[in-house]
Amino acid sequence: EAGVTQSPTHLIKTRGQQATLRCSPISGHTSVYWYQQALGLGLQFLLWYDEGEERNRGNFPPRFSGRQFPNYSSELNVNALELEDSALYLCASSPDYNEQFFGPGTRLTVL
Amino acid sequence: AQSVTQLGSHVSVSEGALVLLRCNYSSSVPPYLFWYVQYPNQGLQLLLKYTSAATLVKGINGFEAEFKKSETSFHLTKPSAHMSDAAEYFCAVSDLAGNQFYFGTGTSLTVIP
Repeated sequence: EAGVTQSPTHLIKTRGQQATLRCSPISGHTSVYWYQQALGLGLQFLLWYDEGEERNRGNFPPRFSGRQFPNYSSELNVNALELEDSALYLCASSPDYNEQFFGPGTRLTVL
Repeated sequence: AQSVTQLGSHVSVSEGALVLLRCNYSSSVPPYLFWYVQYPNQGLQLLLKYTSAATLVKGINGFEAEFKKSETSFHLTKPSAHMSDAAEYFCAVSDLAGNQFYFGTGTSLTVIP
């Protein structure tokens, strides 16, 4: 069974630009979660999508947004990038809300 | 809102010694509890989970954790540390609706040869 995949592995942007990160869940999983892991801050919950709908979002500004496609893959968009957005962004998928399977992450660097 | 506290952001043990990583949660109802491990530059891998069955949960790589409701704790242990156990460990709790997972801030485990 293929795991959660994320692309790209690394992404380098400059301040003010937009970044798009992608996630493909495990086949059959309808929920996708996004997390930000900044240095020294642990995992911060960003967004939860299920069946194409945004179900919950963490304490992040509106310039962090995303969507889930009919095939359950998901996209995270970060607009007007700031230096402090540099982090590892992790995607996880879940079949039934009581376990999450994580992808390898996308390392975003904002210069 | 629920929360998870991991005591000790860095823990060092000698190879072959007991590993004990502490996790306390706040919840008014028995939650689902998890331990994840993260190796450098990788995503998180599930070590074990508690979902209201047996209070002593066995996971992969020789790890286990015990759910103690009276202490609101879910500490992770391993009898004998191996060099390959060096990693970041995260405790997490989920409410039964699955609306959100709450992660602790992580404990970095160093194994000294």
